[in-house]
Amino acid sequence: NAGVTQTPKFQVLKTGQSMTLQCAQDMNHNSMYWYRQDPGMGLRLIYYSASEGTTDKGEVPNGYNVSRLNKREFSLRLESAAPSQTSVYFCASSIRDPNSNQPQHFGDGTRLSIL
Amino acid sequence: GESVGLHLPTLSVQEGDNSIINCAYSNSASDYFIWYKQESGKGPQFIIDIRSNMDKRQGQRVTVLLNKTVKHLSLQIAATQPGDSAVYFCAEKSRAGGTSYGKLTFGQGTILTVHP
Repeated sequence: NAGVTQTPKFQVLKTGQSMTLQCAQDMNHNSMYWYRQDPGMGLRLIYYSASEGTTDKGEVPNGYNVSRLNKREFSLRLESAAPSQTSVYFCASSIRDPNSNQPQHFGDGTRLSIL
Repeated sequence: GESVGLHLPTLSVQEGDNSIINCAYSNSASDYFIWYKQESGKGPQFIIDIRSNMDKRQGQRVTVLLNKTVKHLSLQIAATQPGDSAVYFCAEKSRAGGTSYGKLTFGQGTILTVHP
């Protein structure tokens, strides 16, 4: 049972470079999420996709874009990386939409450093 | 319990003891609560959840208690084992209203260390 798989696990970028973080889930979940985790702060929602074909902004969307490629895959793109985007990024999925009382299941994260 | 800041609360216990981890939540309109465990270098792992119409829920070796009067959530781990050592944090879901989605707000966590 793979669950939620994120690639890459680690990445170092220079300021201004772009990259895409990949996420795939094999649980047939409808909703997917991207969070960032920073020291001293709880997880913060960047974007989410309540269902295939829809995406919406979360709490901290600036500097990011997302694509829900299909039901399984949800990618996060940094178009022009900035040092403030140094963080650990987590992808999560849930069986139903964010308004439902269902837990979100997380991948093991991508550790991103921007110099 | 959990608090804002860079230094997480810590709890040290001996193997076999029971552990209680506390969480104060902020929104009286929250209707769903989750406990997660996060080991070093890993993602948050779902442990147990509870809806606001309940005050207690039990799982395998874990119990969650919800006190809505004082907005307090606790996680009890029975017979704590070294493998339980991790950061534990709670999350509360507010009903959709000002935002278009039921927003999950995560606490920063408590570090649990279990000594053999």
